[in-house]
Amino acid sequence: AQSVTQLGSHVSVSEGALVLLRCNYSSSVPPYLFWYVQYPNQGLQLLLKYTSAATLVKGINGFEAEFKKSETSFHLTKPSAHMSDAAEYFCAVESYSSASKIIFGSGTRLSIRP
Amino acid sequence: NAGVTQTPKFQVLKTGQSMTLQCAQDMNHNSMYWYRQDPGMGLRLIYYSASEGTTDKGEVPNGYNVSRLNKREFSLRLESAAPSQTSVYFCASSDFGARTGLSYEQYFGPGTRLTVT
Repeated sequence: AQSVTQLGSHVSVSEGALVLLRCNYSSSVPPYLFWYVQYPNQGLQLLLKYTSAATLVKGINGFEAEFKKSETSFHLTKPSAHMSDAAEYFCAVESYSSASKIIFGSGTRLSIRP
Repeated sequence: NAGVTQTPKFQVLKTGQSMTLQCAQDMNHNSMYWYRQDPGMGLRLIYYSASEGTTDKGEVPNGYNVSRLNKREFSLRLESAAPSQTSVYFCASSDFGARTGLSYEQYFGPGTRLTVT
C-alpha cells in the first residue's frame, strides 16, 4: 500500500534561511506526489505536484521539490524563508488501490523566527 | 468560480444529535471527498465518491453516512454525534480520469469546525 512519512512534526527556521521539509514515500510503482500547504483556519492548497515529467518540480511561492527514486524521497525546499511561509505542510501520494484517492502524511508545521 | 464551498463553518452539537454537512463544487469535477483533520494525524478520508452515483468508504467511515446528491453536491451526515467526532471536516473535489498525465490533485473547501459536547 502507498504511504508517505513526513520527518519532523515541527520545523522552525529564521527568516531568510533555507527551508527543508522532508517526505519519504512508499510505493511499488512510480507515484504521483503532491505537497499541500494549509494556512491557519483555511483549507489545503496545492503547492506543487510530481507526475513523472521532470524530477525537479517548481511550485508556487518559491517552493520546489525534487523526486529522488533511489531515496524514495520528495523533499520540499525554499531558498529563503519568509514570515508568510508559516503554515502546515502536507506531503501526499496517489493511492493505487483507487485511482481517485490521495494518501496524506501527518503534516509538518513550519514556524519562521524573525 | 467559488471552487469548493462548505456549510456551516462552525457547529456545536450535543452528544446524540444529528446534523448534515453540506459541500458543493462548481468545477465540474467527477470525484468528491470528505476528510477529517485531527491534531498530529493529518487528514483521514471518511468517504469518497469517485463519480456521480457512487460512494465508497475511506479510512474512518464509522459513524458517518454520505449522499452524492448530484455531480456538484456531496453531503456528510452524522446520525448520532459523539465527542470523538469533534474535528475539522474538509470536503474536496478532483477531476478523475484515465492516467493520461493528469494528476489527481484535490481542491479543498475552507472546512467545518465541529465540536460535540
